[in-house]
Amino acid sequence: ETGVTQSPTHLIKTRGQQVTLRCSSQSGHNTVSWYQQALGQGPQFIFQYYREEENGRGNFPPRFSGLQFPNYSSELNVNALELDDSALYLCASSNGQAVYGYTFGSGTRLTVV
Amino acid sequence: QQQVKQSPQSLIVQKGGIPIINCAYENTAFDYFPWYQQFPGKGPALLIAIRPDVSEKKEGRFTISFNKSAKQFSLHIMDSQPGDSATYFCAASKDTGRRALTFGSGTRLQVQP
Repeated sequence: ETGVTQSPTHLIKTRGQQVTLRCSSQSGHNTVSWYQQALGQGPQFIFQYYREEENGRGNFPPRFSGLQFPNYSSELNVNALELDDSALYLCASSNGQAVYGYTFGSGTRLTVV
Repeated sequence: QQQVKQSPQSLIVQKGGIPIINCAYENTAFDYFPWYQQFPGKGPALLIAIRPDVSEKKEGRFTISFNKSAKQFSLHIMDSQPGDSATYFCAASKDTGRRALTFGSGTRLQVQP
């Protein structure tokens, strides 16, 4: 059984650019969430997808968007990057059964310069 | 608005000691309270979780105490080991964990040999 894998592991972008981060969910998981973790802080919820539909969104602007594919893999897209977008972006997947919780990937470290 | 407040920010204990990490929440709709452990360069990993219908839950050396009337919960680590040195996050969610996790700000634990 594979875990949650994210790519790339590190990324440097320039302010104003666009970025796409990718996540491959754990086998059998139909729910995927994305979180932003600033240095020294707890993860902040961006949005969640269940069976390719967005079913929850945190306090993030529309330039943060996402997709979930039929194989339950997912993308996070961020347009018009700002310096404050520099953070660790975490993907988490779940099979909907709370007892097992969410399985997190190791994240993508995004630096905006 | 921080809905889950966590303390202390950092903690140093000797091997064998019992570190205690505390969290308080505001939203009475939360009904699922997990604790996550995060090592440097890794995503958070689920340690233990509790629902508000019980006051205590033990799994191995980890114990959650839950006080519903005070809207507080805490993590105790028995017989702590240097390998427990990590950052610990409390979290809360609605709908027994099927919805977004609201994380605390984290506690950096160091267990000295």
